[in-house]
Amino acid sequence: DAGVIQSPRHEVTEMGQEVTLRCKPISGHDYLFWYRQTMMRGLELLIYFNNNVPIDDSGMPEDRFSAKMPNASFSTLKIQPSEPRDSAVYFCASSPADRGGNQPQHFGDGTRLSIL
Amino acid sequence: KQEVTQIPAALSVPEGENLVLNCSFTDSAIYNLQWFRQDPGKGLTSLLLIQSSQREQTSGRLNASLDKSSGRSTLYIAASQPGDSATYLCAVRGGSEKLVFGKGTKLTVNP
Repeated sequence: DAGVIQSPRHEVTEMGQEVTLRCKPISGHDYLFWYRQTMMRGLELLIYFNNNVPIDDSGMPEDRFSAKMPNASFSTLKIQPSEPRDSAVYFCASSPADRGGNQPQHFGDGTRLSIL
Repeated sequence: KQEVTQIPAALSVPEGENLVLNCSFTDSAIYNLQWFRQDPGKGLTSLLLIQSSQREQTSGRLNASLDKSSGRSTLYIAASQPGDSATYLCAVRGGSEKLVFGKGTKLTVNP
């Protein structure tokens, strides 16, 4: 089975540019999560979706960040304009509906973002 | 606000040793606790998930325990191997789908 697929794997861009990160969740999974990982703060949840609807975006750092899920098989995380402090590894994860089964989250390999 | 702490931040052991990784959390009202493994340049792989009503879970050489009342979990790795070298993260889930992660323990198993 294909796992969670993220693209690009690496992105290097200059400050002020728009950055778009992409994620394809595992087919049939109802939940999609976006995380950011830094050495200082560890792994932090930015936003998550249930059946394509954003449920909790309280972790989105500021208005420069936005996320969409136009359909069950695709999501984007956009940063506009980007800043050097946005440099981090961004992970996407998905999980099935938790019908009392305590389903684990499945992670992609991440996008390593460097803003110069 | 839930906080998850993992000690030590790094651990180096010789091959074959049994070892314990520790995780503590501040709010005992959790739905479950999960242990993940992260290899360099890779995402997280779920190792074990313990529901709030359970005390432990086992998978092969791995055993995870949960003491909700004291806010603690341990991951026991038996007969460690060089292939076990990775960062191990603990995460707790509260009432929603959100996971709160510790910063991880970086394990090195020396041949």
